[in-house]
Amino acid sequence: DGGITQSPKYLFRKEGQNVTLSCEQNLNHDAMYWYRQDPGQGLRLIYYSQIVNDFQKGDIAEGYSVSREKKESFPLTVTSAQKNPTAFYLCASKGGRRYEQYFGPGTRLTVT
Amino acid sequence: GDSVTQMEGPVTLSEEAFLTINCTYTATGYPSLFWYVQYPGEGLQLLLKATKADDKGSNKGFEATYRKETTSFHLEKGSVQVSDSAVYFCALSDQTGGSYIPTFGRGTSLIVHP
Repeated sequence: DGGITQSPKYLFRKEGQNVTLSCEQNLNHDAMYWYRQDPGQGLRLIYYSQIVNDFQKGDIAEGYSVSREKKESFPLTVTSAQKNPTAFYLCASKGGRRYEQYFGPGTRLTVT
Repeated sequence: GDSVTQMEGPVTLSEEAFLTINCTYTATGYPSLFWYVQYPGEGLQLLLKATKADDKGSNKGFEATYRKETTSFHLEKGSVQVSDSAVYFCALSDQTGGSYIPTFGRGTSLIVHP
């Protein structure tokens, strides 16, 4: 079945450490996105990529970095510069002429 | 810029009650409109969509009509079930500089009691 996978489901890190969240899709979609969701809040766009080897900052890119070396993969690194990294992170993709996004199951990151 | 405004939650209903969740938008272009649903601890799933004025999107008993004159896309269901308890997000997707960057509302939590 086609879809988006994010791993792991739960991630725990100590303050000061960088951590990379995985996002893989087998939908053959060109565009991929990373969002952050805080309790009771909507989605905030971190980074997006329209095509391989290209990506753009979203609304809250500070303290995060991404790469897009393959069409299927769009990993997100939460760096130690991110002041408040504890959140639920969602990856999404969009393909072709369809305007809707497909979301992964999310990764809940806790930094202590 | 584009924006989406949803009614604040939580919305609390008894099973079989009628549901309306209001959504209004502002957009510079001619957007497509969506409702997504998020169950606890999961990602978002597309519930329904509409791509042009007067289109009605429908799925699983939920409906929403694209009203350009009132810039609205209200979500309705005639008879809710406990399993409909979730957070509902209204969203629009508009082409900006060649990129389709969706804009989401803040979400409305729905709690359905037996």
